[in-house]
Amino acid sequence: DVKVTQSSRYLVKRTGEKVFLECVQDMDHENMFWYRQDPGLGLRLIYFSYDVKMKEKGDIPEGYSVSREKKERFSLILESASTNQTSMYLCASRSRAPSSYEQYFGPGTRLTVT
Amino acid sequence: GEDVEQSLFLSVREGDSSVINCTYTDSSSTYLYWYKQEPGAGLQLLTYIFSNMDMKQDQRLTVLLNKKDKHLSLRIADTQTGDSAIYFCAESDNAGNNRKLIWGLGTSLAVNP
Repeated sequence: DVKVTQSSRYLVKRTGEKVFLECVQDMDHENMFWYRQDPGLGLRLIYFSYDVKMKEKGDIPEGYSVSREKKERFSLILESASTNQTSMYLCASRSRAPSSYEQYFGPGTRLTVT
Repeated sequence: GEDVEQSLFLSVREGDSSVINCTYTDSSSTYLYWYKQEPGAGLQLLTYIFSNMDMKQDQRLTVLLNKKDKHLSLRIADTQTGDSAIYFCAESDNAGNNRKLIWGLGTSLAVNP
């Protein structure tokens, strides 16, 4: 069964802390994504990666960075957390195959920055 | 740029049909999708339609695609309380790599007993 896991379901951090959100997929997918979800704003793409060590900015990359050292793992880093980064963070993965059409999502990490 | 729009809320009675509508702007999209998000969970693909199709039926779900009007709808027959969720419409981007999706804001479906 296809699986995308995220390291934490709930996380509380203080302003200024460095925060790591980890995502692991077991489907050997090339593409991985980080979104944030906020009420009334839907899903917004932060970064995505289409291969190991490759990344592209999404729509709202400011304040975030990512790391993809291994194919199965995609990390989102908040260098200095701020209260406006309080949100639900969703990771997804997808095969690069032309016939592949589905993004598979993890359960999400609800991050609160105080 | 590309845009996907859908109404934010829908309320139906248990047993009725639900129709969730979506409009999109990118006529070159290959696939159009409906994802479901239950409370506190990630998104799960509910169904999808290829752009050369007009309709797709899967048990209680019917997807209609009107390419001329760039309108996509999801009909859920005999709606149950377990169908209460947020439903996202999405289209594949037109950059040729088909890697990203353009998302609507989601329609929150409330099913009343």
